[in-house]
Amino acid sequence: GAVVSQHPSWVICKSGTSVKIECRSLDFQATTMFWYRQFPKQSLMLMATSNEGSKATYEQGVEKDKFLINHASLTLSTLTVTSAHPEDSSFYICSARREVEETQYFGPGTRLLVL
Amino acid sequence: LAKTTQPISMDSYEGQEVNITCSHNNIATNDYITWYQQFPSQGPRFIIQGYKTKVTNEVASLFIPADRKSSTLSLPRVSLSDTAVYYCLVGDGSGNTGKLIFGQGTTLQVKP
Repeated sequence: GAVVSQHPSWVICKSGTSVKIECRSLDFQATTMFWYRQFPKQSLMLMATSNEGSKATYEQGVEKDKFLINHASLTLSTLTVTSAHPEDSSFYICSARREVEETQYFGPGTRLLVL
Repeated sequence: LAKTTQPISMDSYEGQEVNITCSHNNIATNDYITWYQQFPSQGPRFIIQGYKTKVTNEVASLFIPADRKSSTLSLPRVSLSDTAVYYCLVGDGSGNTGKLIFGQGTTLQVKP
């Protein structure tokens, strides 16, 4: 149990385009999901908290208009990188909080390359 | 959120027991302690979680002293496939926002 998926696993796009990444909790419902970004050889950096049915909460320094988050159901959160630029190239990882265990389970990550 | 401190790296050999200690002096009363394992280009994988004393599962043990200001992850008889980054995190307890802030983690290198 406690499986979280992400789609796509990798994506290459042109500068200026938008990219949507999906995060799904496959066998449990998650009121709260989180989005992280990880650069090579670095730790995970929390970008935002995604709350089902309400607006996301962004960490300081993360542009909410650039990283759009939608948590429309208890099993799905999406992250849209708008007008992507090469500096947005990174490894994006989501997690879903399983309330009964008060534990976060992570997705496999999405590699984004912006040309 | 409580900050954690871990050794940056550790080396071990196959078959040995590995103990990674994490310091979290400012842990809150309702914080849990959770350890994750991460391989390159993969999301972190949950290893173990505890609140106090000792917790054991099929892959690891977690030792937490009474003051909860530190914790030790114990991996019995490691193999080459245990080479990874290990993260200690505190938080996510009842009433918390659920946020986890990752530190630098411990890079464990298991040698043959």
